[in-house]
Amino acid sequence: KAGVTQTPRYLIKTRGQQVTLSCSPISGHRSVSWYQQTPGQGLQFLFEYFSETQRNKGNFPGRFSGRQFSNSRSEMNVSTLELGDSALYLCASSSNPGATEAFFGQGTRLTVV
Amino acid sequence: GESVGLHLPTLSVQEGDNSIINCAYSNSASDYFIWYKQESGKGPQFIIDIRSNMDKRQGQRVTVLLNKTVKHLSLQIAATQPGDSAVYFCAENRGADGLTFGKGTHLIIQP
Repeated sequence: KAGVTQTPRYLIKTRGQQVTLSCSPISGHRSVSWYQQTPGQGLQFLFEYFSETQRNKGNFPGRFSGRQFSNSRSEMNVSTLELGDSALYLCASSSNPGATEAFFGQGTRLTVV
Repeated sequence: GESVGLHLPTLSVQEGDNSIINCAYSNSASDYFIWYKQESGKGPQFIIDIRSNMDKRQGQRVTVLLNKTVKHLSLQIAATQPGDSAVYFCAENRGADGLTFGKGTHLIIQP
């Protein structure tokens, strides 16, 4: 069974641009969550999607958004990029929102210059 | 405020010894707690979880202990191996807020 796939692995953007990251969950998993990982703040919850609906959202500005498609694939978008948005963005999939085990992808390393 | 925190940022142990990684939490409403392992260049990997109504849970070479009285969580790794070198995170699941992670402990294995 293929794991969680995140694309691209690495990305360099300039301030003010916008970026879209993609996540394909494990086949059969319908819940996808996104996290931001930085050395200073650690792993922080961005949002969770299930059945194409955003269920929960973390404490991030409106520049961070996401969506989920009918095949459970998810995208997250960051608009008007700031230097502080440089981070590893991780996607986690689980069979359903109540599942205790979440499987993470390798992440997308975003660098904003 | 509510948080999940770790006592030590780095833990160095001899190969073959047991490792104990600690974690403190402040929110008593969490449904369950999870330990993740993150190796360099990879995403976090699920190790073991424990529900809030349990005190102990064992896996393969790992044991998680939960002390709700002092709000303390620990991960014990038996017979530590070089492949155990990684950053270990404790996390709590409160349902609507997703997973709340601690800062992480870097486990270093000495030969």
